[in-house]
Amino acid sequence: GAGVSQTPSNKVTEKGKYVELRCDPISGHTALYWYRQSLGQGPEFLIYFQGTGAADDSGLPNDRFFAVRPEGSVSTLKIQRTERGDSAVYLCASSFLGGAYEQFFGPGTRLTVL
Amino acid sequence: EDQVTQSPEALRLQEGESSSLNCSYTVSGLRGLFWYRQDPGKGPEFLFTLYSAGEEKEKERLKATLTKKESFLHITAPKPEDSATYLCAGDYGGSQGNLIFGKGTKLSVKP
Repeated sequence: GAGVSQTPSNKVTEKGKYVELRCDPISGHTALYWYRQSLGQGPEFLIYFQGTGAADDSGLPNDRFFAVRPEGSVSTLKIQRTERGDSAVYLCASSFLGGAYEQFFGPGTRLTVL
Repeated sequence: EDQVTQSPEALRLQEGESSSLNCSYTVSGLRGLFWYRQDPGKGPEFLFTLYSAGEEKEKERLKATLTKKESFLHITAPKPEDSATYLCAGDYGGSQGNLIFGKGTKLSVKP
């Protein structure tokens, strides 16, 4: 497919466990974003990659959250020692260059921490 | 603090009943105003980007407009398939385009 894909679509884990969420952006898009969306809220920015580097990680809530994009394409969001408050839909978006170019979103990963 | 506020939170319309959704935004530093549509269980789908006051863009039954402090999404003669949550977002250039979203307006169109 030509769109942004995210896996898994759903993830249920126990408090304290480690999880990885994957994002496969649109081919050729250099900018990649992670957002988190809680029920009834708009998406909230977490981190932005331009190529392989994290250009802005100011939205990451604490040091339990980390993301990588080693080859400038696929990205993985990693959450250590999960807490119940981490439960949300994690959205990934990609953009041709970043900046004012529109962002195309994936379907999201619904994370539930029991 | 940059802020985007949407109203109403929810809107119920009859099929064919035109209306508008509102998005108020912090003016300072805005580079672009985005509208997205989000269906349940899916990611937001891009609709429009507006850059300057007075600008208008249309797509089928939707028209987005921008003033100096607000944006409106006008829906003309809506159909049930227009039912979704509509999100407004501001690009304040903080990091090359991370968007600040409002909470959205949930639109329901009844046949």
